[in-house]
Amino acid sequence: DTEVTQTPKHLVMGMTNKKSLKCEQHMGHRAMYWYKQKAKKPPELMFVYSYEKLSINESVPSRFSPECPNSSLLNLHLHALQPEDSALYLCASSHGWGMNTEAFFGQGTRLTVV
Amino acid sequence: GENVEQHPSTLSVQEGDSAVIKCTYSDSASNYFPWYKQELGKRPQLIIDIRSNVGEKKDQRIAVTLNKTAKHFSLHITETQPEDSAVYFCAAPLGGYQKVTFGTGTKLQVIP
Repeated sequence: DTEVTQTPKHLVMGMTNKKSLKCEQHMGHRAMYWYKQKAKKPPELMFVYSYEKLSINESVPSRFSPECPNSSLLNLHLHALQPEDSALYLCASSHGWGMNTEAFFGQGTRLTVV
Repeated sequence: GENVEQHPSTLSVQEGDSAVIKCTYSDSASNYFPWYKQELGKRPQLIIDIRSNVGEKKDQRIAVTLNKTAKHFSLHITETQPEDSAVYFCAAPLGGYQKVTFGTGTKLQVIP
């Protein structure tokens, strides 16, 4: 199984809503990532978890709150988002330390904030 | 600041011709250089990667070359096919091995 599964695939939320994005992998990877990708732009790193501990937060606003409940799951909790937060949110995972081994991406959640 | 520059931003080639995409990076400590292909509406997928102890790596029609002294690496696709049409991103760890930063992307169009 070389899949990273993200749910939901699409999400529309209001600026006062609270929602969560979910990511799951069963490859035994111990590093997991959240990236944000705007249209026609490269993915931008948001958070990195290593062995279920947050190791990198790229100065992401607190309205985005990551959580790693166990080695297979990664969540991104969303609250009070702005329309400019609309984007494709990609989860990725890799074996061992960091991404100097192959990183596998999920299909992403396309988020629209209205 | 740390960044990865990628050129060209768009590239059109005739089917069967070669395509070359170049990236430069700023962090001399970077030691891993992956290339991702992203088709429209799909996830990025690794197509080839190279580590700093190697100057070139080849996988069928795809090759990557690395010049650590000049801090640049290139993707070479030979005998291009229409299914190679996609956006290609280079990437490198900048400011730490987990901080993989993507280049700005190259939209490759292979004309049948």
